[in-house]
Amino acid sequence: GDSVTQMEGPVTLSEEAFLTINCTYTATGYPSLFWYVQYPGEGLQLLLKATKADDKGSNKGFEATYRKETTSFHLEKGSVQVSDSAVYFCALTSGTYKYIFGTGTRLKVLA
Amino acid sequence: EPEVTQTPSHQVTQMGQEVILRCVPISNHLYFYWYRQILGQKVEFLVSFYNNEISEKSEIFDDQFSVERPDGSNFTLKIRSTKLEDSAMYFCASSNGKTNTGELFFGEGSRLTVL
Repeated sequence: GDSVTQMEGPVTLSEEAFLTINCTYTATGYPSLFWYVQYPGEGLQLLLKATKADDKGSNKGFEATYRKETTSFHLEKGSVQVSDSAVYFCALTSGTYKYIFGTGTRLKVLA
Repeated sequence: EPEVTQTPSHQVTQMGQEVILRCVPISNHLYFYWYRQILGQKVEFLVSFYNNEISEKSEIFDDQFSVERPDGSNFTLKIRSTKLEDSAMYFCASSNGKTNTGELFFGEGSRLTVL
């Protein structure tokens, strides 16, 4: 079945450091890919998405490119801030009613 | 900004007891979902609901679970006889379309602890 694998956390970075959170997937067909973020005490919020190969999703300085050849959707940000501290979830859907999520990666940014 | 609200935020119950988790989805949304996350594990799909019936459910969603939209605004998840392994964070979500065209909007979650 479809699945998503994310890098283990927690990831601890200093402010203004470069961030990469790896995500790879297994799916039949051509899924849509997503990154969701969960700030402390809040629900999951859509951060960005890409619906076909080579699409780049971007939002709030975060980017991820849908790489079909490597079945990856790595999340990147050039300069993280303390306010980016959260849990990040990679997810996919193959057009049904459900998302498949990864385990989440906790990011902690130190001032 | 419209949001999905869930109650209670935390519930502690004894094994074998019935639990009802409540959700108020965004008012013009038509698709409703429950997900759960056992501590340290993946966010898992439980069930989706559309047009007053279950549209899809996972293997986790056995006969102990049920969902209902009793009054046009609330969307509830009932666990009939809780087990220790039901301890998890339960997330409600809603959308106005199928997942690859519409964004899922999540609530803050209800933490269930079964003793």
